[in-house]
Amino acid sequence: GAVVSQHPSWVICKSGTSVKIECRSLDFQATTMFWYRQFPKQSLMLMATSNEGSKATYEQGVEKDKFLINHASLTLSTLTVTSAHPEDSSFYICSAGPGLAGRETQYFGPGTRLLVL
Amino acid sequence: QKEVEQNSGPLSVPEGAIASLNCTYSDRVSQSFFWYRQYSGKSPELIMSIYSNGDKEDGRFTAQLNKASQYVSLLIRDSQPSDSATYLCAVFYFGNEKLTFGTGTRLTIIP
Repeated sequence: GAVVSQHPSWVICKSGTSVKIECRSLDFQATTMFWYRQFPKQSLMLMATSNEGSKATYEQGVEKDKFLINHASLTLSTLTVTSAHPEDSSFYICSAGPGLAGRETQYFGPGTRLLVL
Repeated sequence: QKEVEQNSGPLSVPEGAIASLNCTYSDRVSQSFFWYRQYSGKSPELIMSIYSNGDKEDGRFTAQLNKASQYVSLLIRDSQPSDSATYLCAVFYFGNEKLTFGTGTRLTIIP
C-alpha cells in the first residue's frame, strides 16, 4: 500500500507557541490530503481538506486562522497550530491517497501527538 | 440519523471464533467502502476496501457489501488476540470528496 509519513511524531510546547506538522506522501502524488484530530477515546474528527495549489477547505467549527494549512507540493501538506493552548493537545493525523476521485482509498500517516503545557 | 453507523461495542469474541462487525450507511450515492483498524494510541490502518455488492476475501478477513440493504460488514475468521482493536467503517460518497467515518466498534478477542 501507499506510504504516508508525518513529522514530528511527538511535540511538547509551551502555551502560546506555534507548532508545524508535516504530512508527506512518500511513493505517490496527492492533490488532496486530509487532516484529522482525535481526542482520547473519541472518534476521528475531520478538520480540513488540503488542496494542492489552492486554499484548504475547513470543516464547520474549525478555525482556519488557528489551524493554518499549506499544500505547497504534490507530496507535502503542513498543518500549523498557531498560538497553541492546552485545549489543542490532541492526536493529529493526516491521510492521503493515490486513487481517482470517487474511489478514494485513503492511507493514514502515523500521527503527531501534541502536548501543550 | 448519522450517515455511517456502527455499534460502538465493546464486542468480545473468543480466540479462534469469527468476529462479525457491522456498519450501516445512509441512502446517498455511495461509491466506495472501507474498513480500517486502529490500535490504541496509533493511527488507522487500512484493512479492506470494497466497491461492488458481494463478498471480498483477503486472508482471514472478508468484507461483505449489500447496497440494497445499505450495510457493509467485516468478518474476521480465526480471531487472534492481535485483532483486538477499534474497527472503523468508512464510506466515500459521490460528490463529497472525503471519507465519512463511523464512530468505530471496539473489538476484544478473549484468549
